[in-house]
Amino acid sequence: DGGITQSPKYLFRKEGQNVTLSCEQNLNHDAMYWYRQDPGQGLRLIYYSQIVNDFQKGDIAEGYSVSREKKESFPLTVTSAQKNPTAFYLCASSAFPPRNRDTQYFGPGTRLTVL
Amino acid sequence: ELKVEQNPLFLSMQEGKNYTIYCNYSTTSDRLYWYRQDPGKSLESLFVLLSNGAVKQEGRLMASLDTKARLSTLHITAAVHDLSATYFCAVGGGTDKLIFGTGTRLQVFP
Repeated sequence: DGGITQSPKYLFRKEGQNVTLSCEQNLNHDAMYWYRQDPGQGLRLIYYSQIVNDFQKGDIAEGYSVSREKKESFPLTVTSAQKNPTAFYLCASSAFPPRNRDTQYFGPGTRLTVL
Repeated sequence: ELKVEQNPLFLSMQEGKNYTIYCNYSTTSDRLYWYRQDPGKSLESLFVLLSNGAVKQEGRLMASLDTKARLSTLHITAAVHDLSATYFCAVGGGTDKLIFGTGTRLQVFP
């Protein structure tokens, strides 16, 4: 089955710790994205990548870092510089450039809590 | 800067009733999406609207797009409890970036 996997499902972070969220897709999509969702809010774009070894900042990139060494993988690191990281993190992928009826497909999400 | 606004933010409706969710966006875009999110879950794609006047229907949901008014609507016909979820619209923000609305939380009660 083609799809997007994220791990872990739940993650707890101590103050001052860096943590890495995994995102893998087997849809052969060129573009991948990371979003943050806070309770009762919409999605905000953290980083996105349209090609291997290249990525761009989204609207709220501060305190986060990413890499895109493989087409299938787009891990997100939440650094200690991110002061309020507790949120639900969603990874998505899509064809690039988008064709008719193409949409972004979302993974199941990682819920990060700071202790 | 592209902004996307949805209303209402919360919608509580009785089974069997009809209602419409509105999505306004601030600048020209060539594609609009509707997603559904169940509590604690990921987003599921419902509709992709690509041109002025586009209308898509799936079951009790119908989405339409008016690019001149920069408005999309999601119409719910004869609501059932299974439609209870949060619905997001999202607009293409250049290249393939999406800007999401704040969502409409729909609750359908007997």
